[in-house]
Amino acid sequence: SAVISQKPSRDICQRGTSLTIQCQVDSQVTMMFWYRQQPGQSLTLIATANQGSEATYESGFVIDKFPISRPNLTFSTLTVSNMSPEDSSIYLCSVEDYSGRTPNEQFFGPGTRLTVL
Amino acid sequence: SQKIEQNSEALNIQEGKTATLTCNYTNYSPAYLQWYRQDPGRGPVFLLLIRENEKEKRKERLKVTFDTTLKQSLFHITASQPADSATYLCALGKDSSYKLIFGSGTRLLVRP
Repeated sequence: SAVISQKPSRDICQRGTSLTIQCQVDSQVTMMFWYRQQPGQSLTLIATANQGSEATYESGFVIDKFPISRPNLTFSTLTVSNMSPEDSSIYLCSVEDYSGRTPNEQFFGPGTRLTVL
Repeated sequence: SQKIEQNSEALNIQEGKTATLTCNYTNYSPAYLQWYRQDPGRGPVFLLLIRENEKEKRKERLKVTFDTTLKQSLFHITASQPADSATYLCALGKDSSYKLIFGSGTRLLVRP
């Protein structure tokens, strides 16, 4: 299993500013995922980050708003840019480490609780 | 578009009883279904995976069923304990994609 840490655990930000969230994994993984979880709602996939390539964004999410870095196989960052109160949410990173086509569970970080005033 | 429904109302049961949570889906044909547990302030933790060709899967006090005709999965916790109180999420996936589609979760409260 993978152990994932995120920084910061929570933050309160002013609208118009940006926040970068860090995700560190204790082992090398191929794929890292960034999710958003708004209160009482399901996890929504923002993007998938592979090392050495551009992140793949889901419908409704764009790179200008959520730039992602993946400099190596154990680390990724997600930036929430030009924030508005609607960006208030929990942001989670996760990893899935499997070989072949057998699906495996995803391991999640503890999340970053963001409040935008 | 695909939709996953989990009961948004909390399930409140007495300790020792069996908790049964439901996950229904539409406009999707998953190859497998997963259940996760999420505690407040924490990320989800994987519990069980069941594939489309499996009817039932068990792990200790947990049992999951998967009915692809009804497009439904049931998640059972037998001999429930207050420590089982959490939000339980179902997630659907396909072998052709790494993506998981999550339901919004059902909160379980087990009274001592």
